[in-house]
Amino acid sequence: GAVVSQHPSRVICKSGTSVKIECRSLDFQATTMFWYRQFPKQSLMLMATSNEGSKATYEQGVEKDKFLINHASLTLSTLTVTSAHPEDSSFYICSARDLERQGAADTQYFGPGTRLTVL
Amino acid sequence: GESVGLHLPTLSVQEGDNSIINCAYSNSASDYFIWYKQESGKGPQFIIDIRSNMDKRQGQRVTVLLNKTVKHLSLQIAATQPGDSAVYFCAENNFGNEKLTFGTGTRLTIIP
Repeated sequence: GAVVSQHPSRVICKSGTSVKIECRSLDFQATTMFWYRQFPKQSLMLMATSNEGSKATYEQGVEKDKFLINHASLTLSTLTVTSAHPEDSSFYICSARDLERQGAADTQYFGPGTRLTVL
Repeated sequence: GESVGLHLPTLSVQEGDNSIINCAYSNSASDYFIWYKQESGKGPQFIIDIRSNMDKRQGQRVTVLLNKTVKHLSLQIAATQPGDSAVYFCAENNFGNEKLTFGTGTRLTIIP
């Protein structure tokens, strides 16, 4: 159980275009999903917290108009990188909290990541 | 700001030996700690967690030790195997706070 998927796993796009990344919890419901960015040989940096039915909460320094997050259902959150530039090239990882485990151990289940390359 | 960091960025261990990966944290309010394993090109995989009311927890071939006095935790992997080669991250948070703060990571290489 507790499987999180991401789609696509890898995407290459031209500079100036927008890219949408999907994060799905496959066998549980998640009111909260998280989006991380990871540059090569670095740690995971939290970008934003996505809450179902409400606006995402962005970390300091993350442009909300550039990284659009939509959490339309209890099993799906999307991250859209708008007007992508080469410096946006990174590994984007989502995670989800199991609704039924709220108040228990705060374990996040991670997706496999999406490799974005902007040419 | 508060941060979680690792002492050693790389660690090479002979196959079959035990390995110890260390992590220092600075937020004294943290009460929940997790170790993750990340293989190349993949997302983090949960290994083991520990709450601040414990100082040791064991899993299958892994043990996490927590020393709250010096704000240090470690991950011990027994009888390492080639499949243990990966980057290992510690992460921390406060119970009730949704966010995880990740350490810088340690790359563990198992030498055949």
